[in-house]
Amino acid sequence: DSGVTQTPKHLITATGQRVTLRCSPRSGDLSVYWYQQSLDQGLQFLIHYYNGEERAKGNILERFSAQQFPDLHSELNLSSLELGDSALYFCASSVAAGGTDTQYFGPGTRLTVL
Amino acid sequence: GENVEQHPSTLSVQEGDSAVIKCTYSDSASNYFPWYKQELGKRPQLIIDIRSNVGEKKDQRIAVTLNKTAKHFSLHITETQPEDSAVYFCAAGSYNQGGKLIFGQGTELSVKP
Repeated sequence: DSGVTQTPKHLITATGQRVTLRCSPRSGDLSVYWYQQSLDQGLQFLIHYYNGEERAKGNILERFSAQQFPDLHSELNLSSLELGDSALYFCASSVAAGGTDTQYFGPGTRLTVL
Repeated sequence: GENVEQHPSTLSVQEGDSAVIKCTYSDSASNYFPWYKQELGKRPQLIIDIRSNVGEKKDQRIAVTLNKTAKHFSLHITETQPEDSAVYFCAAGSYNQGGKLIFGQGTELSVKP
């Protein structure tokens, strides 16, 4: 157990819908990262928040957005869902903001878009 | 853009043999290289990482080597066991990339008893 929690574990929804994925970092960690894992794309970096502020963005679609709240938990919002958005979504956390900090992954949320 | 190439994509070894997975990165600013193990349907778990101020790091049966000049790093697992079977990912990151890790495509390691 990494200490990073994610809810829900599984999510099944229809195309065009909107969902929210939630992540709580390890105690003491200020950074949260979101990754998407699909069969054909591997692990893709989406976005990084540090202490409530966005620090880096990857190939995140405009239909996706995220935020980190004052209690440091983070939410990833996915809207106008398409079949291709079906994937495992992981969040990870680290102590600080640098690119050389160890990132600990949560158990993931499996999103299925029908 | 930044890229990490990982080889081989699949690797099958006999229990007790060694396994080697190789990665090459493109961004010369990269200075952090973690390796993750992922079992089916589970989260990636960090098994070892190396920063660019060292060339090699060992932890029991696992070692990682880094060649910054060649932009190449490798994972070595000795005395493999069936429980080592999983998908292994290499990644590269740098301080000025704001925490972004670029992952390789993964290597599916199978250790046959």
